[in-house]
Parts: sequence; C-alpha cells; structure tokens
Amino acid sequence: AQKITQTQPGMFVQEKEAVTLDCTYDTSDPSYGLFWYKQPSSGEMIFLIYQGSYDQQNATEGRYSLNFQKARKSANLVISASQLGDSAMYFCAMRDVEYGNKLVFGAGTILRVKS
Amino acid sequence: EAGVTQSPTHLIKTRGQQATLRCSPISGHTSVYWYQQALGLGLQFLLWYDEGEERNRGNFPPRFSGRQFPNYSSELNVNALELEDSALYLCASSFQHLAEQYFGPGTRLTVT
Repeated sequence: AQKITQTQPGMFVQEKEAVTLDCTYDTSDPSYGLFWYKQPSSGEMIFLIYQGSYDQQNATEGRYSLNFQKARKSANLVISASQLGDSAMYFCAMRDVEYGNKLVFGAGTILRVKS
Repeated sequence: EAGVTQSPTHLIKTRGQQATLRCSPISGHTSVYWYQQALGLGLQFLLWYDEGEERNRGNFPPRFSGRQFPNYSSELNVNALELEDSALYLCASSFQHLAEQYFGPGTRLTVT
C-alpha cells in the first residue's frame, strides 16, 4: 500500500520569503505520480503541481516547484516569494494506480504567512 | 472554463436520514471521484466512477453509494446517517483516469 508522510503540522513564513513543505512517500510501484494541493479555509482543494516518477526534471508551476529526490522518496514543495494568500493547508498526495486511481493524501501542513 | 461544481454547499440532516450530494465535473472529464474529509481522519477515498460505471470504492460501508449519469455528473447517497458521517465531502474530476484530479468546493454535511 502507498503511504504519504507530512511531518510538519504547521509552518510559519515571512511574506516574500521562500518556504519548503516536506513530503515523503512509500510505494513499491516503479511508476507513480505525486501531487500537491492547497486547501484554503473555504475548503476547496486547489491543484498546484504534479511530478511523475519518470520525469527527469523537477516540476515547476509559477512560484511553486517540487524538489523531487527519488532515492530519498521525497517530494518537497517549495513556494517562492510567499504571499499572504498562500496561507492555507497543503496536502501532498500520491496516485494509487493499483487500487483504482484513488489519491492517497498526507495529513497536511498548515502554512501561515506573516506580514 | 467552469470548474467542478457541487451542491448543496451545506447540508444538515438528523441521524437515520438519507443525504444526497451532487457533483458536476469539468466539461470533457469522464472520471468522477468522491472523498470524505472528516475532522481528525484526513482525506479518505470513497468512490470512483468512470464512463458511468463504479470502478472502485474505498473502505466505507454499503450505505455509502452513488452513481454517474450519462452526462458524467454524479450523485453520492448516504443512507442511515450516523453522527460520524459529518464531514466535508469533496468531488473531483479528471479527463482520463491517470490525469490530474480537479476538486470542487465540497459539500459540508452535518448530522445531528
């Protein structure tokens, strides 16, 4: 079974600084996909970034980048130039292809951006 | 392009009643997924529908059921509601079953 671990329950970052949210995963599948979602207080899950296990380069989407270290089984999210609107819960997730394509989520990290 | 929509936004029911939650996927998406986000339990996979068929279900009792209509919209039914069914229910859709899943705003179900 696949497992996602997010060890940081909460993080603070100063506005305009960069922050790294940790995510480690466990899977026996050679092919897998990793996702990061943002969940503001409104509840909606917003897709941020995707990394495939065979992708040669780390994924980037605007201010979001994924620091993918396959040997360490880590897929950390880096947010550059933090903004107040980045304050939210962040979830790392993995697609479980064996069990019908469901997403397996970590416990999440609450990020608070300070002005 | 319109995102995933869910209705109602909030739903209050009493124990033993039935709840029906609705989801409309992004246009062109054929796969619909349902997740439950209960306090303290994180996000748990409920059901996956693709092309009108139930493809997989999570570790939930049979009183959680649903269906997908020909227009790919979906309905989640929860029978014999229990207090612990109180949660945010999120629907997601994807273009193909291996593509990114995009979520709707959720339905917050409260069982009293």
